[in-house]
Amino acid sequence: AQKVTQAQTEISVVEKEDVTLDCVYETRDTTYYLFWYKQPPSGELVFLIRRNSFDEQNEISGRYSWNFQKSTSSFNFTITASQVVDSAVYFCALSEAYSGGGADGLTFGKGTHLIIQP
Amino acid sequence: DTAVSQTPKYLVTQMGNDKSIKCEQNLGHDTMYWYKQDSKKFLKIMFSYNNKELIINETVPNRFSPKSPDKAHLNLHINSLELGDSAVYFCASSPGPGGAYNSPLHFGNGTRLTVT
Repeated sequence: AQKVTQAQTEISVVEKEDVTLDCVYETRDTTYYLFWYKQPPSGELVFLIRRNSFDEQNEISGRYSWNFQKSTSSFNFTITASQVVDSAVYFCALSEAYSGGGADGLTFGKGTHLIIQP
Repeated sequence: DTAVSQTPKYLVTQMGNDKSIKCEQNLGHDTMYWYKQDSKKFLKIMFSYNNKELIINETVPNRFSPKSPDKAHLNLHINSLELGDSAVYFCASSPGPGGAYNSPLHFGNGTRLTVT
């Protein structure tokens, strides 16, 4: 069975600080996909990134960067020079290529509530 | 153009009523989903629907039933609403099944259901 753990329930930092959101996953599949979504206070779910299990390259997109390490089953997300607009709940999610039965789709972590204080 | 749209955005109703939430996607995707987000923000899949094949999460009560008139629509019907059904319900779509590996799931903006 697949599982995603986001151990940090809430993080509060002051604007311009760097912050890392942790994500640890469990899966028996060798082929799987990892995602990060942002849910701002307005409530919609915004896709940030997808990474497949064969691509361990780290990725940077502006102030956002992701560190995927299969050896530790982690897919951490770092925001550099945080801004108030980054305040949101961030979800890490896992999708197996072959669900082996049961409803398909994403398995989400419980989310990390990030608060950026001005 | 909105890729995945849900209506209504807010739904307030009394216990025991039957209600529906509509979802439409204009992405040409083959697979659609319903997710439930509870008061603690936990997101959990309820159903996936692909090419007339419905896969149900076994924890979903049978008061919940998805109905798909065509590939672009997946509506959620809820009978005999209970207080515990209060949540935000998200519709989503992806190009195909197999765990959404082709593309990230595209989510609607959610429907906040409040049962009083």
